[in-house]
Amino acid sequence: EAQLLESGGGLVQPGGSLRLSCAASGVTFTFSSYTMSWVRQAPGKGLERVSGITGSGGNTYYADSVKGRFTISRDNSKNTLYLQMNSLTADDTAVYYCAKGGTMYPFDNWGQGTLVTVSS
Amino acid sequence: EIVLTQSPGTLSLSPGERATLSCRASQSVSSSSLAWYQQKPGQAPRLLIYGAFSRATGIPDRFSGSGSGTDFTLTISRLEPEDFAEYYCQQYGRSPVTFGQGTKLDIK
Repeated sequence: EAQLLESGGGLVQPGGSLRLSCAASGVTFTFSSYTMSWVRQAPGKGLERVSGITGSGGNTYYADSVKGRFTISRDNSKNTLYLQMNSLTADDTAVYYCAKGGTMYPFDNWGQGTLVTVSS
Repeated sequence: EIVLTQSPGTLSLSPGERATLSCRASQSVSSSSLAWYQQKPGQAPRLLIYGAFSRATGIPDRFSGSGSGTDFTLTISRLEPEDFAEYYCQQYGRSPVTFGQGTKLDIK
């Protein structure tokens, strides 16, 4: 089974930016063929899909809560998914997971998550 | 947006008992695109059930899913100690993909 490994989380001040990465290794699926998503979980809260991107990168999805501030992208030559996060607020504090799946596909492979903390 | 409501919020049972978790959708879920996930503290969610009743790879057969339309159920036939966790339903048939708020299954 493919492993998904997120990186790039950390502590950032309100208004700041972070770029998350998700590298797929031991790939037993063709990365470029699958929709990938970012799902976040605020402390003690449930799951929220914040963004998704189709295999080719031609279509993207953003939750209203992040639209205009977050940008999802992927580099299929590197089997890597990205999430550029700008204008961060305390409400963005969460563990961010990358996952294989999206609209019409269950999320059948998840990374271990990376914690983003927005605080002054 | 399809809102998923899970019940109960918390379910307290003993090992060996049967667990029944409910997920109700505000609109019909297309093509039974309903999944269940298990999440343990400090871990990522794990896919248990997709397509309302199909078990994911490696999931024991004590886990089963049922339902259609707006009402879905996850049943764990005989609880093992490792089954005590948080469970989420999700619909992935219509954008935006949405999750229920979760059911915590804890040891009585």
